[in-house]
Amino acid sequence: DAEITQSPRHKITETGRQVTLACHQTWNHNNMFWYRQDLGHGLRLIHYSYGVQDTNKGEVSDGYSVSRSNTEDLPLTLESAASSQTSVYFCASSAGDLETQYFGPGTRLLVL
Amino acid sequence: GQSLEQPSEVTAVEGAIVQINCTYQTSGFYGLSWYQQHDGGAPTFLSYNALDGLEETGRFSSFLSRSDSYGYLLLQELQMKDSASYFCAVNRDDKIIFGKGTRLHILP
Repeated sequence: DAEITQSPRHKITETGRQVTLACHQTWNHNNMFWYRQDLGHGLRLIHYSYGVQDTNKGEVSDGYSVSRSNTEDLPLTLESAASSQTSVYFCASSAGDLETQYFGPGTRLLVL
Repeated sequence: GQSLEQPSEVTAVEGAIVQINCTYQTSGFYGLSWYQQHDGGAPTFLSYNALDGLEETGRFSSFLSRSDSYGYLLLQELQMKDSASYFCAVNRDDKIIFGKGTRLHILP
């Protein structure tokens, strides 16, 4: 069955370290998204991609980067982790319409 | 800009009906979506309204009124498993913007 996976599921790191969170989907969806979820803020869009080699900034993109070298993967990199980036990170994908998104299981990141 | 308002918490009784409202202020509006998220889980898509009116999917229905910039999610015959957070979301400028979510508590 097609699916969307994220790894690692849990990560502890130190401030200043570079961290990469993986997202892989097997639906062959063109659209992929990264969100962070914090109490009181709901889901906030970090970066998104509408196809290979396409990346765009969302509402909270500072300190994050993504690259899209193939259809299946959209890794999220924290260039220099900060305690404010402690959060739950969700990856999502969608086919032609943006409204029906399929979410991965999430990655809990703790930055000490 | 965009702003989505929904109640932070709603409480209802098992077997009853509950309505979760969502008001939005956004330009370039394309439609209203609803997602469900259980504690510790990932959001899952419930419904999407591109046009005014009611969309029904089993026990869940979603309504949109563009003229009132308002929508709601209606859950009927509530079950304990419906205890979750519910998010409305709008498509603005080809990006999905989520509300902060409504926590639904169900009493036996």
